[in-house]
Amino acid sequence: GEQVEQLPSILRVQEGSSASINCTYENSASNYFPWYKQEPGENPKLIIDIRSNMERKQTQGLIVLLDKKAKRFSLHITDTQPGDSAMYFCAASVNTNTGKLTFGDGTVLTVKP
Amino acid sequence: DSGVVQSPRHIIKEKGGRSVLTCIPISGHSNVVWYQQTLGKELKFLIQHYEKVERDKGFLPSRFSVQQFDDYHSEMNMSALELEDSAMYFCASSLFQGNSDYTFGSGTRLLVI
Repeated sequence: GEQVEQLPSILRVQEGSSASINCTYENSASNYFPWYKQEPGENPKLIIDIRSNMERKQTQGLIVLLDKKAKRFSLHITDTQPGDSAMYFCAASVNTNTGKLTFGDGTVLTVKP
Repeated sequence: DSGVVQSPRHIIKEKGGRSVLTCIPISGHSNVVWYQQTLGKELKFLIQHYEKVERDKGFLPSRFSVQQFDDYHSEMNMSALELEDSAMYFCASSLFQGNSDYTFGSGTRLLVI
């Protein structure tokens, strides 16, 4: 199977600063790494993803990095805003297999005004 | 644009009771997975069906069964409910097995009393 470790579990940052969340995975066959944002009482929503043929992807203030050698991937939120406060989950899957997502335990991000 | 539709949104059952949760995937999606989330924490993989066949099973208790029908909607039958079954149950769908671009439903909040 797959195990995904996510750190930190709680992250508090000042508005305008950047926030980073790190995940590691075990299965070297994992090739798809999405990030989900979940607001209280809502469903998880995909915000960005990266596939194993890339090392970096950026979209709208979000950067994801993938280090396949170290089996590590990370999410960086630049210029954080109070609206970025939410739970964030990383996940990994083997797209060529069942495509099941294995999630990390989540990070509660609080952006202080 | 109808996303993944789950029903009911909320349900309260007594310990030892039964419940049925329904998931209607996005039109054209035949891959459906179920996740359990307790107290807003990690998303635990329960089971996956693709083209009406079970493809992968995770933490699904033996008291629960899941079926996917001809129109690809999925039903989770839960029996002998226990207090610890209280959780949010999310289903998600994607186009096909091995495609991890999942869209999550809004979830069903189950409270067992």
